[in-house]
Amino acid sequence: SQTIHQWPATLVQPVGSPLSLECTVEGTSNPNLYWYRQAAGRGLQLLFYSVGIGQISSEVPQNLSASRPQDRQFILSSKKLLLSDSGFYLCAWTPMVGGADGELFFGEGSRLTVL
Amino acid sequence: QKEVEQDPGPLSVPEGAIVSLNCTYSNSAFQYFMWYRQYSRKGPELLMYTYSSGNKEDGRFTAQVDKSSKYISLFIRDSQPSDSATYLCAMTSGTYKYIFGTGTRLKVLA
Repeated sequence: SQTIHQWPATLVQPVGSPLSLECTVEGTSNPNLYWYRQAAGRGLQLLFYSVGIGQISSEVPQNLSASRPQDRQFILSSKKLLLSDSGFYLCAWTPMVGGADGELFFGEGSRLTVL
Repeated sequence: QKEVEQDPGPLSVPEGAIVSLNCTYSNSAFQYFMWYRQYSRKGPELLMYTYSSGNKEDGRFTAQVDKSSKYISLFIRDSQPSDSATYLCAMTSGTYKYIFGTGTRLKVLA
């Protein structure tokens, strides 16, 4: 069966520090991968999605970047965190190749607090 | 107007009640619909996935889609305290963009 792992689960970082959140999917090949941010009362905001290694699409210009160095690995990064980057970050994947009408599965999330 | 509207609640019901959760949407291109359950500080868990009008049942959960009215529902029968969570609806037209409701908080009282 397929599983998705996301880490770290919780982190507290000072303003201006770098960030790296990692996500891996097991039990499938060529998944579409997504990074979302969830803010209280505001729903899920799509940040990045990827349909293959090295292929990243950004939905919202901001202080974050994403990379996909391997088929089942997706990384969210920042060089310098802002207070506004605080939030709950969710990695997700769909099993469809070339399309996105499949079920979307989420990881457990990473809660980031920037102080 | 938001693409997806969902009542934030909270919705409080007694144990054993039938719960009805709803979302309305404005984009007639949406064809695939999902319901998620999210416990506090956890990632959303996919409960139901449908792609046609009508009902789909899975245990105590029934998902209903009415494309003509642009309205989807999730019914929970014999609700339990463990069902207390936030429920998110989501939909997509088949692109990479999934649109989510803001979630309804449900409390099932023992």
